[in-house]
Amino acid sequence: DGGITQSPKYLFRKEGQNVTLSCEQNLNHDAMYWYRQDPGQGLRLIYYSQIVNDFQKGDIAEGYSVSREKKESFPLTVTSAQKNPTAFYLCASSMGRESGRAFFGQGTRLTVV
Amino acid sequence: AQSVTQLGSHVSVSEGALVLLRCNYSSSVPPYLFWYVQYPNQGLQLLLKYTSAATLVKGINGFEAEFKKSETSFHLTKPSAHMSDAAEYFCAVRTGGFKTIFGAGTRLFVKA
Repeated sequence: DGGITQSPKYLFRKEGQNVTLSCEQNLNHDAMYWYRQDPGQGLRLIYYSQIVNDFQKGDIAEGYSVSREKKESFPLTVTSAQKNPTAFYLCASSMGRESGRAFFGQGTRLTVV
Repeated sequence: AQSVTQLGSHVSVSEGALVLLRCNYSSSVPPYLFWYVQYPNQGLQLLLKYTSAATLVKGINGFEAEFKKSETSFHLTKPSAHMSDAAEYFCAVRTGGFKTIFGAGTRLFVKA
């Protein structure tokens, strides 16, 4: 089945530790995205990538890093510099055309204690 | 700059009643508009999208939305609510590139 897979679904980390969230897609999409979701705030764009080996900061990139070494993969690292990392993280992909809809993964809920 | 405003963070309807979720957008160019639905602890699923082919767009699960340029609106409706419609709904706009801007979401409650 074609789709986008995020892992793990739940993640717990101690404060001050870096953590990497996985996102893999087999839809052959060029564009991939990372969003953060907090209650009442909708989805906020962290990073996006239009093509392999290229990515751009979104609206809330501080404290996060990404890589796009393969078309299928777009991992997100939440660094210790992120002041409030506890949130629900969503990865998405799209064909890249303006009218293209986004396909979403099931999300990773990160809790930092 | 593009933006999306969803009026009402929470909407409650009775089962069988009309569902109306409001969305207004701001865009300097013709937009592509979307409605997504999210069930608890899951990703977003596409309900429908507007891409200028027709102003009235029909989606899945009996939902539809009408694009009104003069009102810069793209409200989501369903004639008769079902318990399974209870979820959070997001309006989104995409213009001139790869970024999609999401509204803050509206949580729909359906009462028996």
